[in-house]
Amino acid sequence: AQSVTQPDIHITVSEGASLELRCNYSYGATPYLFWYVQSPGQGLQLLLKYFSGDTLVQGIKGFEAEFKRSQSSFNLRKPSVHWSDAAEYFCALGRGSNYKLTFGKGTLLTVNP
Amino acid sequence: ETGVTQSPTHLIKTRGQQVTLRCSSQSGHNTVSWYQQALGQGPQFIFQYYREEENGRGNFPPRFSGLQFPNYSSELNVNALELDDSALYLCASSSRQATNEKLFFGSGTQLSVL
Repeated sequence: AQSVTQPDIHITVSEGASLELRCNYSYGATPYLFWYVQSPGQGLQLLLKYFSGDTLVQGIKGFEAEFKRSQSSFNLRKPSVHWSDAAEYFCALGRGSNYKLTFGKGTLLTVNP
Repeated sequence: ETGVTQSPTHLIKTRGQQVTLRCSSQSGHNTVSWYQQALGQGPQFIFQYYREEENGRGNFPPRFSGLQFPNYSSELNVNALELDDSALYLCASSSRQATNEKLFFGSGTQLSVL
């Protein structure tokens, strides 16, 4: 069975500081991996995705993620956080880009001024 | 703005009642997926519809059912509502024909069961 673990429920960073959100997965084959962001009362917006190829993936809003097969991880990073990045972040995996995604429980990001 | 619209935005029902949630997919998309997001949890896959037929189902009981119409819009029906059905229900549309497929999510319907 596939699963996604986001070890950090809540992270607080100062504006301008760097950010890393952790994601670990369990899957028997090569996963399709995603990071989504959700603002309060909103749906999910795709930040970036990994299907194959280069293990460092660039996304929108200055985010990037690195796929590490040996560690079963797909951590999200941003070099300098902005106050508008405060939101909940979800890591997800699936067999395809539009089929049955399995989500982690999310990490809530708070940004201090 | 994703072009995926859901209605209603909020709904309050009592235990045992039935509810219908609606989703209009983005233009050109032929696939609709439904997810349930309980408070403090990540979304959970309910089912997916492709060309008006169910195409995959998550671990949800049969009282969760759906429809997809010829214009690719979709409904999620839940019978015999239980308190634990209180959640944000998200609809996502996509296109099987797209070379760079991705899901476009609506803003969701917040269902409260009292």
